[in-house]
Amino acid sequence: GENVEQHPSTLSVQEGDSAVIKCTYSDSASNYFPWYKQELGKRPQLIIDIRSNVGEKKDQRIAVTLNKTAKHFSLHITETQPEDSAVYFCAATLSGNTPLVFGKGTRLSVIA
Amino acid sequence: DSGVTQTPKHLITATGQRVTLRCSPRSGDLSVYWYQQSLDQGLQFLIHYYNGEERAKGNILERFSAQQFPDLHSELNLSSLELGDSALYFCASRRDDWGYTFGSGTRLTVV
Repeated sequence: GENVEQHPSTLSVQEGDSAVIKCTYSDSASNYFPWYKQELGKRPQLIIDIRSNVGEKKDQRIAVTLNKTAKHFSLHITETQPEDSAVYFCAATLSGNTPLVFGKGTRLSVIA
Repeated sequence: DSGVTQTPKHLITATGQRVTLRCSPRSGDLSVYWYQQSLDQGLQFLIHYYNGEERAKGNILERFSAQQFPDLHSELNLSSLELGDSALYFCASRRDDWGYTFGSGTRLTVV
């Protein structure tokens, strides 16, 4: 089955700097890669996703890139703000109805 | 409000007991997924139901079971509880678009 590895497990950045979180997946057939943000004690919320027919997607300060050949995808947050502090999870799945497999998460701290 | 409703929000129970967690998906969503999140751990997939039928099982213990009812709400039953079962339990629903919408979770504490 699919296996998703996520790095780093913790990340501290200064406010205004960029943050990058990387994930690798094992199943080359996976074709959907969402990213979730989870604030302390709250539910994970989808912040951006990408499908395998696209190499990059942007939404304001957030972007995701996908390299299918290398089987890795990354989350980029620019101009970080204190409210970006949270745990971020990447995930991968084979198709629209199969379960998402999550990475173990990255705890991002943005220092003001 | 995500539209996915989970009850109860908190549950404290003793070892050996049995509890039932409930999830109502977003209106129109046929899929319900259950995940377990232990302290500082990721989201571990437990089980998936689609329109009343079990579709996939993950790392679900034999002491755990689930079902999805005709009105599409789902229940996760946890029995013979152990201290290690203490965790946040999330359900999520999904429509034809592929992203999940998570409920707010049930925090289970076994003492």
